[in-house]
Amino acid sequence: AQSVTQLGSHVSVSEGALVLLRCNYSSSVPPYLFWYVQYPNQGLQLLLKYTSAATLVKGINGFEAEFKKSETSFHLTKPSAHMSDAAEYFCAVSDHRDDKIIFGKGTRLHILP
Amino acid sequence: DTEVTQTPKHLVMGMTNKKSLKCEQHMGHRAMYWYKQKAKKPPELMFVYSYEKLSINESVPSRFSPECPNSSLLNLHLHALQPEDSALYLCASSQARDSYNSPLHFGNGTRLTVT
Repeated sequence: AQSVTQLGSHVSVSEGALVLLRCNYSSSVPPYLFWYVQYPNQGLQLLLKYTSAATLVKGINGFEAEFKKSETSFHLTKPSAHMSDAAEYFCAVSDHRDDKIIFGKGTRLHILP
Repeated sequence: DTEVTQTPKHLVMGMTNKKSLKCEQHMGHRAMYWYKQKAKKPPELMFVYSYEKLSINESVPSRFSPECPNSSLLNLHLHALQPEDSALYLCASSQARDSYNSPLHFGNGTRLTVT
């Protein structure tokens, strides 16, 4: 069965610093991977997705993620954090055998002034 | 602004009440989903409709009853709920059920409190 593990339920970075949110996946077949963001009192919004076209994926709001098969990782990065980036971030993998999306437990990103 | 609209935003109901949650999208998507999200947890899939037919029911108790009247609308009928059913209920849609090719678009959810 496919799964994702997000390392760190809470991450704090200073405004302007690099954001790095970690995600490792487990899959017996080539995975499709996603990062979603959830702001307070809102639903989830797609940041970016990996579907095997390119290993470095650029998303919205300056975020990007790199698929590394050798490390089974899909970490999310942003060069310079902004206060508006404070939110919950979910890594997800698609189980395309039955078309379900499996979410990680989430990482709460805190931005320090 | 989200393209998936959910009403109401908040709902408080007693354990003997009957209520409905509504979801609407006008993106021409043919797959619609209900998720339940408890605080500080990821969303949990409840139901999936594909072309207005129920295709996935994740062993959800019968006190939750989904309905898809047409390709734009999705309802969740609630009856005899328990306090532990209190959660954020999220509706989502996608172009088709192949989630790897058509990501989910979420509404902002209905915050349900069962008293």
